[in-house]
Amino acid sequence: KAGVTQTPRYLIKTRGQQVTLSCSPISGHRSVSWYQQTPGQGLQFLFEYFSETQRNKGNFPGRFSGRQFSNSRSEMNVSTLELGDSALYLCASSRRDSPSTDTQYFGPGTRLTVL
Amino acid sequence: KNQVEQSPQSLIILEGKNCTLQCNYTVSPFSNLRWYKQDTGRGPVSLTIMTFSENTKSNGRYTATLDADTKQSSLHITASQLSDSASYICVVSFNNDMRFGAGTRLTVKP
Repeated sequence: KAGVTQTPRYLIKTRGQQVTLSCSPISGHRSVSWYQQTPGQGLQFLFEYFSETQRNKGNFPGRFSGRQFSNSRSEMNVSTLELGDSALYLCASSRRDSPSTDTQYFGPGTRLTVL
Repeated sequence: KNQVEQSPQSLIILEGKNCTLQCNYTVSPFSNLRWYKQDTGRGPVSLTIMTFSENTKSNGRYTATLDADTKQSSLHITASQLSDSASYICVVSFNNDMRFGAGTRLTVKP
């Protein structure tokens, strides 16, 4: 069974640009969550999508948005990039059978560098 | 304020030794607590998930404990191996949100 895949793996952008990251969950998983990881802040929760609907959202500005398609694949968009957006963006999928005990499986991440 | 604190920040042990990592939280209302292992350059891998009613959960050489009264959790690693070298992250969920600890960087030396 293929794991969670994320594309691209590495990305370099300049301030003010926008970026779209893609995540393909494990087959059969309906929940996709996005996280930002930086050396200074550690891991932070961005949002979760389930059946094409945003279910939960972390404390990030509106420049960060996402969506989920009918095949459960998800995209995350960051507009008007800032230097502080440089980070590893991780996607995780789960079956979401039991929200409180669901095991999440993480992808390898997309390393975004903003110059 | 909902926070998760992990200690120690880093730890070096010899191969074959045991170690215990700590996680204290002030999150409320508590939903569940997860421990993840993250190798350098890779995404986290789930080790254990515990709900309020569970006070211990094992996954091979990894054993997590939870004291919901004192809001403390620990991850005990038995007979450490070189491959255990990684960051270990504690995550506590509440309502529809979650808080991550800063992680403990474990180095296992031969």
